[in-house]
Amino acid sequence: GAGVSQSPSNKVTEKGKDVELRCDPISGHTALYWYRQSLGQGLEFLIYFQGNSAPDKSGLPSDRFSAERTGGSVSTLTIQRTQQEDSAVYLCASSLDRVGYGYTFGSGTRLTVV
Amino acid sequence: KNEVEQSPQNLTAQEGEFITINCSYSVGISALHWLQQHPGGGIVSLFMLSSGKKKHGRLIATINIQEKHSSLHITASHPRDSAVYICAVNPGGFGNEKLTFGTGTRLTIIP
Repeated sequence: GAGVSQSPSNKVTEKGKDVELRCDPISGHTALYWYRQSLGQGLEFLIYFQGNSAPDKSGLPSDRFSAERTGGSVSTLTIQRTQQEDSAVYLCASSLDRVGYGYTFGSGTRLTVV
Repeated sequence: KNEVEQSPQNLTAQEGEFITINCSYSVGISALHWLQQHPGGGIVSLFMLSSGKKKHGRLIATINIQEKHSSLHITASHPRDSAVYICAVNPGGFGNEKLTFGTGTRLTIIP
């Protein structure tokens, strides 16, 4: 596609429910990143996929968070048993390869846990 | 102390003014990025730097690796430049693709 597509753009969920957030990167981009931007806070890294390599999960805040990337393309970020502190904008970015090619960000999914 | 510090946190200027936003970092990096985020909007990558200076239209970004400092300049500022500008770095050597972000500078340009 022309850009990084994220869905849904907004999600309101009840505390304790599971949610899935989707990211469709630019075609041909082998690297895919998930970041989170909480209200009043800066951006933080969550997880990184590069090709067929094992993902770098070092930024995931708890074991309620997981992500997968199927076929080296679409990625899904899953949050189980959501908590209010999970409320944030979840941003996906992709890049052509490693550092050196810049990033293209999606418009994000605004998650609100009530 | 954050690894990436930006100043100022907020900046209000008149249309036409020359704008400078500063970024200092405390770790070795392989690259530095300047990002733009409009209210309610997504993030746009403006520049990626590993040395020297880059220019795109009215935007100029510079980096001094020895001083661990970068600046983003906007010439002939316009109200549409109003946004949050975020500095981010790839810490460590090449191969570290994760970004560490500054807290952003909120720029408001008044007509």
